[in-house]
Amino acid sequence: GNSVTQMEGPVTLSEEAFLTINCTYTATGYPSLFWYVQYPGEGLQLLLKATKADDKGSNKGFEATYRKETTSFHLEKGSVQVSDSAVYFCALRMGETSGSRLTFGEGTQLTVNP
Amino acid sequence: ETGVTQTPRHLVMGMTNKKSLKCEQHLGHNAMYWYKQSAKKPLELMFVYNFKEQTENNSVPSRFSPECPNSSHLFLHLHTLQPEDSALYLCASSARTGGFQNTEAFFGQGTRLTVV
Repeated sequence: GNSVTQMEGPVTLSEEAFLTINCTYTATGYPSLFWYVQYPGEGLQLLLKATKADDKGSNKGFEATYRKETTSFHLEKGSVQVSDSAVYFCALRMGETSGSRLTFGEGTQLTVNP
Repeated sequence: ETGVTQTPRHLVMGMTNKKSLKCEQHLGHNAMYWYKQSAKKPLELMFVYNFKEQTENNSVPSRFSPECPNSSHLFLHLHTLQPEDSALYLCASSARTGGFQNTEAFFGQGTRLTVV
């Protein structure tokens, strides 16, 4: 079956540090890949996505590149802020045969200290 | 604000109670979902509705009963729950096109359920 494996948290960084959260996937076929963010007390919000190999998704200074050869979609940001503290979820979605169900990783808690 | 609204935000219920969670979306989407988020576990998809018809039930116990009266509203009826059912229940919606493709999912803020 399909699965997503994320880097275990929690991750604690100082403001302006570089962030990488690793994500690898297993899928039968070519999924679309997503990063969702969940701020404290909130639901999930789509952060960025990529729908085919070598696509780069970007938003709010975050980036992730769809790497088919390594089945990865690592999340990066060059300079984190305190407001980036949240839980980050990597997810995949298969195409037509699986409808629109998302398969999520376990989430990575990020805390950014001033 | 994502356009998906869930009520109530918090719910405490006893094991013999009956309660319902409500989800409403004003995005014109035609697919709606219930997810369960438990501590230290990946998000679990519970149910999927497309055009008001249930298309997925991921082996969810019968004490959870979904209802989708129209494409904008989704309910989750709860009865005789167990303490281990305590979790954050998230509703999501997406648009399903005629080509069976789907837009990304938009999530509500969730209902934090505690079963005592």
